[in-house]
Amino acid sequence: AQKVTQAQTEISVVEKEDVTLDCVYETRDTTYYLFWYKQPPSGELVFLIRRNSFDEQNEISGRYSWNFQKSTSSFNFTITASQVVDSAVYFCALSEAQWIIQGAQKLVFGQGTRLTINP
Amino acid sequence: GAGVSQSPRYKVTKRGQDVALRCDPISGHVSLYWYRQALGQGPEFLTYFNYEAQQDKSGLPNDRFSAERPEGSISTLTIQRTEQRDSAMYRCASSLIGSHTSTDTQYFGPGTRLTVL
Repeated sequence: AQKVTQAQTEISVVEKEDVTLDCVYETRDTTYYLFWYKQPPSGELVFLIRRNSFDEQNEISGRYSWNFQKSTSSFNFTITASQVVDSAVYFCALSEAQWIIQGAQKLVFGQGTRLTINP
Repeated sequence: GAGVSQSPRYKVTKRGQDVALRCDPISGHVSLYWYRQALGQGPEFLTYFNYEAQQDKSGLPNDRFSAERPEGSISTLTIQRTEQRDSAMYRCASSLIGSHTSTDTQYFGPGTRLTVL
């Protein structure tokens, strides 16, 4: 069965600090996809990134970077030089290939990490 | 362009009443998903549609929950005889196509916050 664990329930840092959000996943599939979503205080879910299991290359997008390591089943998210606007709940999610073959992406989410950036 | 919309945004109902939650996906999106998110938790899958066909309803908690998408666009999630444990945020998402290509990101709506008294 698939499972996503975000062990950090809450993180609080001061603005401009770097912060890493951890995500560990479990799956028996060799083909799967990993996602990060952001839920700001307004409540919507905003897509940030998607990676497939065959692409372990790290990704950087501005102040955001993601580190995917299959050996440790982790897909961690780092925010560099954090800003107050980064305050949100961040969710990591997993979709297994069996669902994709059936023509869908059934996402399994972690419990989320509440990130607070203090000025 | 317009994103996924959901209505109502907030719904307060009394135990035992039926409620209908509406989702209007992004125009042209083939796949539509319903998730439920309890306070402090991540969203949990309920069901999904490709066009008008309900492909998987394994996440619906019991037979009081049902969903339809009769014309392959707007979808309605109905909860009959609501109970207090049904209180949650109900989220809808849509994707352009239900495949593993890069264009099928799930875009989420703002959600409907359901409170059952």
